[in-house]
Amino acid sequence: GENVEQHPSTLSVQEGDSAVIKCTYSDSASNYFPWYKQELGKRPQLIIDIRSNVGEKKDQRIAVTLNKTAKHFSLHITETQPEDSAVYFCAAETGRRALTFGSGTRLQVQP
Amino acid sequence: NAGVTQTPKFQVLKTGQSMTLQCAQDMNHEYMSWYRQDPGMGLRLIHYSVGAGITDQGEVPNGYNVSRSTTEDFPLRLLSAAPSQTSVYFCASSGQGRETQYFGPGTRLLVL
Repeated sequence: GENVEQHPSTLSVQEGDSAVIKCTYSDSASNYFPWYKQELGKRPQLIIDIRSNVGEKKDQRIAVTLNKTAKHFSLHITETQPEDSAVYFCAAETGRRALTFGSGTRLQVQP
Repeated sequence: NAGVTQTPKFQVLKTGQSMTLQCAQDMNHEYMSWYRQDPGMGLRLIHYSVGAGITDQGEVPNGYNVSRSTTEDFPLRLLSAAPSQTSVYFCASSGQGRETQYFGPGTRLLVL
């Protein structure tokens, strides 16, 4: 089955700096890659996603890049703010809407 | 639209007890899934369904049963609760047109 690895497990940045989180996946059949933000005690919330026919997608301060050949995708957050502090999860889907998640990255934005 | 709802919000069980976690969605979504999230970890897929009457196993199905008799409901049954099943359980759904999965608020389960 699919295996998704996520790095780093924790990330601390100064407010205004950029943050990058990286994921790799194992199944070349995966074709959908969402990123979720989860605050303490809350449900995961989709922040951005990308499909396998697209190399990059941007939404304001958030961007995701996908390299199908290398089987890795990354989340980029620019101009970080304290409210960006949360746990971020990457995921991959091979179809049938069943997601395989990475282990998460705890992002701390220092004011 | 209530979206995806889950009940109960919190439950304490004794080892060996059985219970059903409820999940419902009012968005007419074909796809529904159950995940568990252990402390400090990512979500792991338990079971999923691509439509009424069709279910399949995910990564960690042992100790759990599901059924999908209607489009709206996807209950998760714990047959004989074990302390290893202490976790937060999330239900999710998505529609035919887009892959976006919408998560319910979760059920926090403690097995003593």
